[in-house]
Amino acid sequence: ETGVTQSPTHLIKTRGQQVTLRCSSQSGHNTVSWYQQALGQGPQFIFQYYREEENGRGNFPPRFSGLQFPNYSSELNVNALELDDSALYLCASSLEAGEQYFGPGTRLTVT
Amino acid sequence: GQQVMQIPQYQHVQEGEDFTTYCNSSTTLSNIQWYKQRPGGHPVFLIQLVKSGEVKKQKRLTFQFGEAKKNSSLHITATQTTDVGTYFCAGNPVITDYGGSQGNLIFGKGTKLSVKP
Repeated sequence: ETGVTQSPTHLIKTRGQQVTLRCSSQSGHNTVSWYQQALGQGPQFIFQYYREEENGRGNFPPRFSGLQFPNYSSELNVNALELDDSALYLCASSLEAGEQYFGPGTRLTVT
Repeated sequence: GQQVMQIPQYQHVQEGEDFTTYCNSSTTLSNIQWYKQRPGGHPVFLIQLVKSGEVKKQKRLTFQFGEAKKNSSLHITATQTTDVGTYFCAGNPVITDYGGSQGNLIFGKGTKLSVKP
């Protein structure tokens, strides 16, 4: 177990809706990264937060946004959901640029 | 854009055979990390390589980082059924003049290993 938790575990949403996913990082870690993993693919980097500031962003549209809180937990928000947003969303915590500890993920299905 | 290619996509081996997966980046990397993901699970960190030409071993696993810091490999000796899963390499591209990198880990598509007992 990595100590990284994510909620909810599974989620079903309708196209056009908005969703918020949550992540609690491992104790002592100040960096949280979010990834989208489609079936059979490698995780794709969405963005990273370091000490509450965005510290890098992948090739995702602005409707993907995030937050990091003073306790280093984090949220991923996705607006105007599309069918292609169906995927496993993983968060990973780390101490700065070190090894990343992944949570169990949130399986999002958009219908 | 920056890409990390990984081959092969699938590998089926008999228990006891060796296994190798290769990773190649389109850009120079500041470091490379390897992860293993079991079916239905999440990626689990295996190792990080930082230095050019670095070789690290973990029991039956040997990891290499290329001299140009653009490629890497993972070799498993005498596979066991517990080695089953998908192995991902993930690189931190160098994007600054002084060789630093930001947070964006770029993952390969992974090599799915199955082991026949």
